[in-house]
Amino acid sequence: QVQLQQWGAGLLKPSETLSLTCAVYGGSFSDYYWSWIRQPPGKGLEWIGEINHSGSTNYNPSLKSRVTISVDSSKNQFSLKLSSVTAADSAVYYCARAVAAAGTDWGQGTLVTVSS
Amino acid sequence: QAGLTQPPSVSKGLRQTATLTCTGNSNNVGNQGAAWLQQHQGHPPKLLSYRDNNRPSGISERFSASRSGNTASLTITGLQPEDEADYYCSAWDSSLSAWVFGGGTKLTVL
Repeated sequence: QVQLQQWGAGLLKPSETLSLTCAVYGGSFSDYYWSWIRQPPGKGLEWIGEINHSGSTNYNPSLKSRVTISVDSSKNQFSLKLSSVTAADSAVYYCARAVAAAGTDWGQGTLVTVSS
Repeated sequence: QAGLTQPPSVSKGLRQTATLTCTGNSNNVGNQGAAWLQQHQGHPPKLLSYRDNNRPSGISERFSASRSGNTASLTITGLQPEDEADYYCSAWDSSLSAWVFGGGTKLTVL
């Protein structure tokens, strides 16, 4: 059974860079794409992007200019950086294992608040 | 950003059957199929089905998914109080090379 554990700063100021990391325990790290998804308070889910073990990425076109997803396959970890954050980036951020655009396993979520 | 269309809310009675819909286009639902997720307040989403009608182990047979053209459906039979939740569909969009979600449907069990 795969488990995803995520961590990172929960309070940011406008223009700062959001940084989150997700560690994968159990299962095969190399057989899947690994995604970041966010959910603003009271709203729906938004896909941010994904990466595989070799570093191949896909990004949401609306966020692509500010997003970097990286991987450390030696540690079974992947990370998200979102630059120049604003209040609109305040959300719960989830990491997830992806199979056919379906999140099969999810991290616990990290609430990120952007406030001056 | 909601690339797929879902009704905002559905209400059904206890032990009744609810059918939730998700409409996309030929680049996403019609081509790649859809997945369905259940989310209870304050919890991460939980996968109910993927690639139209594949159910992960441990998911009740009361949840079944299907697709007709560009519209995917999730049918929940014998509604229980714990089925009250938000339900999201998702699909890969080949024209965007992106994963798209529906806006979600809030299911109320009366």
